Amino acid sequence: DAKTTQPPSMDCAEGRAANLPCNHSTISGNEYVYWYRQIHSQGPQYIIHGLKNNETNEMASLIITEDRKSSTLILPHATLRDTAVYYCIVRSSQGGSEKLVFGKGTKLTVNP
Amino acid sequence: NAGVTQTPKFQVLKTGQSMTLQCAQDMNHNSMYWYRQDPGMGLRLIYYSASEGTTDKGEVPNGYNVSRLNKREFSLRLESAAPSQTSVYFCASSGQRDSLRNSPLHFGNGTRLTVT
Repeated sequence: DAKTTQPPSMDCAEGRAANLPCNHSTISGNEYVYWYRQIHSQGPQYIIHGLKNNETNEMASLIITEDRKSSTLILPHATLRDTAVYYCIVRSSQGGSEKLVFGKGTKLTVNP
Repeated sequence: NAGVTQTPKFQVLKTGQSMTLQCAQDMNHNSMYWYRQDPGMGLRLIYYSASEGTTDKGEVPNGYNVSRLNKREFSLRLESAAPSQTSVYFCASSGQRDSLRNSPLHFGNGTRLTVT
């Protein structure tokens, strides 16, 4: 079973920030939060990941709550090309199972 | 550096036929995975291999077998294809996991399989 919960769909206006939430209330101390996206039927693309500090790269920012039970992926200036399904997963950093499970993700539609 | 390469890109099978989906990665990754994706659904894990010589079942392993031929290659075999196995199959790989170098999954572009 997926360890994360995401809304099935969201809309965002082009040029505005897209904030995609993810709930991972059962996350353990050594589990990272990863975000991927899938455009059309292409292979999923890695976006960003973090453990407990907020992270930023050229694609997005990741905000993780202090209790680590939820996080938000932020696309600061969404474009039409950001329309995709976004997946949030948790993954252990050390040992343990590699049984990585993706849920159904959030379908983000960026509108002109 | 091609990343993760899957072959074939498309395949049509008749019910009962067998075939092997090939996956190779050139990133020296330890872990490899097979997922399937049906229309409107997320990714579902079929099998994974945490390291060369080991394989484990995922969420939906029935009807499939896998072989981790070497560190680079991880194949998925359908012994007797069924229409329910019509899907898009994605292979992925991931590098070493530790607290300093947690490695994301890298996905191939998929194999689109139709079983009639």
